[in-house]
Formats: sequence, structure tokens, C-alpha cells
Amino acid sequence: GAVVSQHPSWVICKSGTSVKIECRSLDFQATTMFWYRQFPKQSLMLMATSNEGSKATYEQGVEKDKFLINHASLTLSTLTVTSAHPEDSSFYICSAPDSGAVNSPLHFGNGTRLTVT
Amino acid sequence: LAKTTQPISMDSYEGQEVNITCSHNNIATNDYITWYQQFPSQGPRFIIQGYKTKVTNEVASLFIPADRKSSTLSLPRVSLSDTAVYYCLVGDNFGNEKLTFGTGTRLTIIP
Repeated sequence: GAVVSQHPSWVICKSGTSVKIECRSLDFQATTMFWYRQFPKQSLMLMATSNEGSKATYEQGVEKDKFLINHASLTLSTLTVTSAHPEDSSFYICSAPDSGAVNSPLHFGNGTRLTVT
Repeated sequence: LAKTTQPISMDSYEGQEVNITCSHNNIATNDYITWYQQFPSQGPRFIIQGYKTKVTNEVASLFIPADRKSSTLSLPRVSLSDTAVYYCLVGDNFGNEKLTFGTGTRLTIIP
């Protein structure tokens, strides 16, 4: 089946530094990828939609200058958390549909746990 | 956007059949109903999807009444490894309003 690989699985960084998270579709092309954030005991919150070759679409309340998204190829999208602060500590997850069909199920990465000290 | 409502939590004993119902009163004609399972510190995993009536695969069944305003995920003979959070999503991937995760149902299987 379709596989989405997310790297790293966990990262600890100091406040003020930037962290890049990669999301790769291993056996399919993903023109669209979704990025989510999940706090403990809470549901997934959609942050942005990443589109290959164009600018990402951010959800209301998500700072595009803080959460930089790049989708330069059909198999790779990256999320960079810039000038990270402790409140950015969270579980970040990406997903992608494996086809252009409107009902194509989403395939999720295994998430990245970010801890900002 | 078709908002979904699920029970926050459910408990069941091993070997029982578990039914989790999701309400989606504002479902649109083009919307599909998809269920995902999430274990702690992992990304969600696709379980099953349907549009109407009944769908069955190797792990679950999905029952959708004619009005499509609700759906029921049925897990046969659950085991401890089925302890997870289950999410019901309604919509399509490329609509004007993106798929939104609701609260999900935290299912705990008791030995």
C-alpha cells in the first residue's frame, strides 16, 4: 500500500532555532500534502495544505512566516518551524492522498515529536 | 463543512463486538465517510470508507443509513491491540473546506 515517510520522528531544539521536518511519499506521487499539529490528548488540527509547485494554503490562525512549507517535488514536502519557541512543542503529522480522486484515503506519516527547550 | 460528533470514549471487553457511531447531519452529496485509527505517538491509519449502505473489509464494517446523517463503525471481536482513538471524517480531499478531524472516540479494550 501507499506509504508516507516522515523524518525525523523526534527532535529537540533550543528556543530560537529552526527545525525542518520532511514528508515523503515513497511509492506514489503526491501533488497535495496536508500538515497537522496535535497536542497531547487532543485531535489533529490542520495547519496547511501543501501543493507541488505552488504556494501552500494556510489555515486561519497559522502563521505562514513561522511555518514554512515547501513542496518542490511530487514526493517531498517539508515543514520548517522557524525561530521555534516552547509553545511550538507538539506532534506534527503529514498526510497525502494517493490519487487525485476526491475520496482517496489519506496516508499519514508517523509524525514528528518536536520539543523546544 | 459536515461537522462530526462522536462519543468521547468507550470501553469494551476483549472478544466483544464494538460499534462506534458518528453523527454528521450536514453531510453533502459529494461527501464520503472515512474512518481512521490512531495509536499514541503515531499517525492515523485508514480503516474503512463508504458512501452509502454497508461496506466490509478484513478489519471492520461500516454501516451507513439511507439518509447518510450518521455512520457506525463496527469492529468484530476486539482485542487489546484495538485500543486506540478512532476518527470519523466526512468530506472530500479537494473540496473548498478541508477534511477536519473531530474529537475522535478513545476506545479502551479491557482484558
